[in-house]
Amino acid sequence: DQQVKQNSPSLSVQEGRISILNCDYTNSMFDYFLWYKKYPAEGPTFLISISSIKDKNEDGRFTVFLNKSAKHLSLHIVPSQPGDSAVYFCAASPGNTPLVFGKGTRLSVIA
Amino acid sequence: SQTIHQWPATLVQPVGSPLSLECTVEGTSNPNLYWYRQAAGRGLQLLFYSVGIGQISSEVPQNLSASRPQDRQFILSSKKLLLSDSGFYLCASAGQNYGYTFGSGTRLTVV
Repeated sequence: DQQVKQNSPSLSVQEGRISILNCDYTNSMFDYFLWYKKYPAEGPTFLISISSIKDKNEDGRFTVFLNKSAKHLSLHIVPSQPGDSAVYFCAASPGNTPLVFGKGTRLSVIA
Repeated sequence: SQTIHQWPATLVQPVGSPLSLECTVEGTSNPNLYWYRQAAGRGLQLLFYSVGIGQISSEVPQNLSASRPQDRQFILSSKKLLLSDSGFYLCASAGQNYGYTFGSGTRLTVV
């Protein structure tokens, strides 16, 4: 049973445009959500997070939106840059237990 | 900040051979430690986690095992590798705000 779902395996966006990566979850006990970025042959690196008590968190070009009623979160990257090309993982925490990760979305930013 | 050291970076092993992957952590004490595997199309799958020396929780049945002989050392082992053990293995340490710091990973190919 997949508790964190990233239904789009890949996404292509032109440089300078907005990238929107989506994530859905099923467990209502999740109280913290994170996005990680991963380049090939490297470990994931933390990008941005949001607590369940908020609906938006912004950090530079990156914004995460949380819709608790829909159990949905999204990552917006504006403007997209070629260096943003990577696999993005959505993760959720049900408290003091291991993070649950989605399968990832491969973003390609085309110059 | 934490640093995760993982080695080797790549490994090619024959079926039936043993495995030992080591992970050490700097910059923190008594961390929660995790082994994840990224297999093709499977995202990040949690294999083991440890909240302290000698304390190991297994998340999936498999022919892998983990040990934590020291506070900042986490080892992933197998007595006999299977083809299905191929993948990218990642060690992680829990940090602040539910986030994890990942190592650079080991690409294991079982042939």
